[in-house]
Amino acid sequence: EDQVTQSPEALRLQEGESSSLNCSYTVSGLRGLFWYRQDPGKGPEFLFTLYSAGEEKEKERLKATLTKKESFLHITAPKPEDSATYLCAVQLNAGNNRKLIWGLGTSLAVNP
Amino acid sequence: DAMVIQNPRYQVTQFGKPVTLSCSQTLNHNVMYWYQQKSSQAPKLLFHYYDKDFNNEADTPDNFQSRRPNTSFCFLDIRSPGLGDAAMYLCATSRSGSTVGYTFGSGTRLTVV
Repeated sequence: EDQVTQSPEALRLQEGESSSLNCSYTVSGLRGLFWYRQDPGKGPEFLFTLYSAGEEKEKERLKATLTKKESFLHITAPKPEDSATYLCAVQLNAGNNRKLIWGLGTSLAVNP
Repeated sequence: DAMVIQNPRYQVTQFGKPVTLSCSQTLNHNVMYWYQQKSSQAPKLLFHYYDKDFNNEADTPDNFQSRRPNTSFCFLDIRSPGLGDAAMYLCATSRSGSTVGYTFGSGTRLTVV
């Protein structure tokens, strides 16, 4: 069964304390992996798309990487405004490939 | 700015009273999606339109219907809301073949009383 698992469920960091969020996936065939940020009471905001193992994308303090089994979202020197839930989703390369398989997210809190 | 707009942001409806949520987009994306998201859960796809073609998920209850009168607008109709339908409803759009992920609206928070 196609599955996406995110860890940890929740993470609390001090401002400036770098860390990584994990998204592991078991799917029949990967077309793309997406990272989203979701603030409370709002819709997810697109961050990155990754397509192949070894690919990396960066945006400000965030860097996403991809292997054949998992993706990491590295947060360097986080600030309180980085506090949010980070969602990972996988798009399959066969069948109903417009459907995303979502992880449950990592809730990140950054303390000043 | 091009965007996805959902109205209303908050909707309170009575148990069993039909309700309609709306979504509009200025991105000219050909695919539109409706998701249901409950607290601390991942978004759950209800259905999507690929151009005019409607695609229903197998586990979406018949209580949920959708209309897409044109490229820009999409509606979610809940015919007889139950307490279990209280959730955030998210509209999203995408362009087929694009490398950019879905663009989501801010959502409509539905409360059933």
